[in-house]
Amino acid sequence: EAGVVQSPRYKIIEKKQPVAFWCNPISGHNTLYWYLQNLGQGPELLIRYENEEAVDDSQLPKDRFSAERLKGVDSTLKIQPAELGDSAVYLCASSLARGQEDTQYFGPGTRLTVL
Amino acid sequence: SQQGEEDPQALSIQEGENATMNCSYKTSINNLQWYRQNSGRGLVHLILIRSNEREKHSGRLRVTLDTSKKSSSLLITASRAADTASYFCATNRGYSTLTFGKGTMLLVSP
Repeated sequence: EAGVVQSPRYKIIEKKQPVAFWCNPISGHNTLYWYLQNLGQGPELLIRYENEEAVDDSQLPKDRFSAERLKGVDSTLKIQPAELGDSAVYLCASSLARGQEDTQYFGPGTRLTVL
Repeated sequence: SQQGEEDPQALSIQEGENATMNCSYKTSINNLQWYRQNSGRGLVHLILIRSNEREKHSGRLRVTLDTSKKSSSLLITASRAADTASYFCATNRGYSTLTFGKGTMLLVSP
C-alpha cells in the first residue's frame, strides 16, 4: 500500500513569491493534517481536515496561508506571499479518523527554502 | 506551541546499550504517543499509551506514563545503529490533534 505522497520534495523560492504544496493521503483515510516543522523542533499542526471540512485551523496564519481539500482526498497548502521565516519542512499526515487513538501516517515532507 | 519537552536533547550510546529518553508535558491528556524521525523513513509512529495505563511494551520498546508527574519515558533496549533517529513524544488532549515535543536526537554507534 502506498503511503502519504507529497510533492515537491524540495522547493526554493524568493521571498514574496507564492508557493504551493500538494498531498495525497493514504487511500481511505478521512483525516488529513498539515504540519510545519522548523529545524530542531517537533511538528506543529497548521490545519486538520475531516473529509472536506477544516475542523481545526486555529494555528494557520490566515493572512498568507490557505489550504483546501476538494472532494475530501488530495489537499493543497499555499503560501502567498512567502516570507524568509517560512523556511521549514511542511509535513502532511493522514489517519483513519478513529478518534483519539488515531495513528497518524506522515509523508516525507516538502523542504521549503525562502531566499 | 510545544506541549511536551523531551530530555535529553541529544543522546549518544554504543550498540547493545539501552537508551532512555524522557518527556514532560503540561496539561491533562487522553494518550501519549512516541514517534521516530530519520532521513530515510520520515516520521513514524512507534507506540501509544493511554492515560489510564502505566506501562506498555512493543518489541524492544518500553514506555511508561506517570500522569501525576505529567511525564513519560521511552526505553529502547539493546540499541542498534538503525535506531539512530530523533524521537518525539506527542500528547493527545482530545479528538485527533497531537502536540509534539522538540525531540531527542539519538546516535547509536557501531
